[in-house]
Amino acid sequence: GAVVSQHPSRVICKSGTSVKIECRSLDFQATTMFWYRQFPKKSLMLMATSNEGSKATYEQGVEKDKFLINHASLTLSTLTVTSAHPEDSSFYICSARDPGVDSPLHFGNGTRLTVT
Amino acid sequence: AQTVTQSQPEMSVQEAETVTLSCTYDTSESNYYLFWYKQPPSRQMILVIRQEAYKQQNATENRFSVNFQKAAKSFSLKISDSQLGDTAMYFCAFILTGTASKLTFGTGTRLQVTL
Repeated sequence: GAVVSQHPSRVICKSGTSVKIECRSLDFQATTMFWYRQFPKKSLMLMATSNEGSKATYEQGVEKDKFLINHASLTLSTLTVTSAHPEDSSFYICSARDPGVDSPLHFGNGTRLTVT
Repeated sequence: AQTVTQSQPEMSVQEAETVTLSCTYDTSESNYYLFWYKQPPSRQMILVIRQEAYKQQNATENRFSVNFQKAAKSFSLKISDSQLGDTAMYFCAFILTGTASKLTFGTGTRLQVTL
């Protein structure tokens, strides 16, 4: 079945540095991918919709310059957390929709980001 | 805008028993999908079951079934013969048809299966 691979699964970085998270669709092409953020014991909050070949669409309250999204190919979207601060520490999950199948969204396994 | 409400933050059930998790949603659209996702401690999002809004028949997947009441905008999940491995967060989710539609999640219900 369709699989979404997310890398890295865990990352620790220092304040002020940038971190890139990759989301790949392994056996299907995804024109649209989604990036979520999840705080402990909370639901998933949609951050942005990543569109292949065009700019991402950000949800209200999400800083575009802080969370850079690039969707350069039909199988890869990246989320870069720029100038990370401890409050950016969170669990980030990507998802992608297989357009060839009647709907479901496939999720990556998530990335736990810790900013020290 | 679509909203999804899960009114039970936490629930507990004994092994082998049956438990029902509640979910209501609000939309003015008629074509959509509803899902239940399971998130165990590993944090992986696992699709449990889905329901197409145009189908009247309730979806079932082994021990998991739903009670879909479209007029009432209700979508509850029943877990039969609960197992310890069912312990997880359960999220109800909604998406309109269309490849660019966004998935809207409820706040989740933490289910604990006990011996």
